[in-house]
Amino acid sequence: DQQVKQNSPSLSVQEGRISILNCDYTNSMFDYFLWYKKYPAEGPTFLISISSIKDKNEDGRFTVFLNKSAKHLSLHIVPSQPGDSAVYFCAAAGEYGNKLVFGAGTILRVKS
Amino acid sequence: DTAVSQTPKYLVTQMGNDKSIKCEQNLGHDTMYWYKQDSKKFLKIMFSYNNKELIINETVPNRFSPKSPDKAHLNLHINSLELGDSAVYFCASSLDSYEQYFGPGTRLTVT
Repeated sequence: DQQVKQNSPSLSVQEGRISILNCDYTNSMFDYFLWYKKYPAEGPTFLISISSIKDKNEDGRFTVFLNKSAKHLSLHIVPSQPGDSAVYFCAAAGEYGNKLVFGAGTILRVKS
Repeated sequence: DTAVSQTPKYLVTQMGNDKSIKCEQNLGHDTMYWYKQDSKKFLKIMFSYNNKELIINETVPNRFSPKSPDKAHLNLHINSLELGDSAVYFCASSLDSYEQYFGPGTRLTVT
């Protein structure tokens, strides 16, 4: 049973525009959420996170929004750059210590 | 100055063999993890060690045995390899937080 879902397998965006990646979760015990970025043949790299006590966290071009009542979070990238093309994983934690539960990932393609 | 390193990067072996994957981190972290990314691309945790002590052990066949000789190393030994063990295995580490740092992965192919 998938507790973290990324329903869009892929997303294509024009350079300079906004990229919005979505993630839904089912477990109300999750209280911390992370986004990871992964290039081919490399390991995932941490991008940005948010605690359940917040509804927004911003870091440069990256902003994560959390809607706890909807059990939904999103990652906004503005402006999108070709180097942002990668697989983005949403992850959730909190029920079992440091255990992260990952979504299946969304492939982002930024076209120049 | 690689933060989390894994060896080998690629591993091709036959069914029934025993193999090991090594992981080392130089970040001074006290918790290390093994993840498996299967053909459907899901990343699933297998094990977690904190200061050489096993703290997370997901439902993994007992053919998989992690070993942590010290805080900086977490190796994964797999006995009697099966076709279904083919996957990419990632090592990760963290320090008192949920933010985990991943190694580059080891692609295991069992033929």
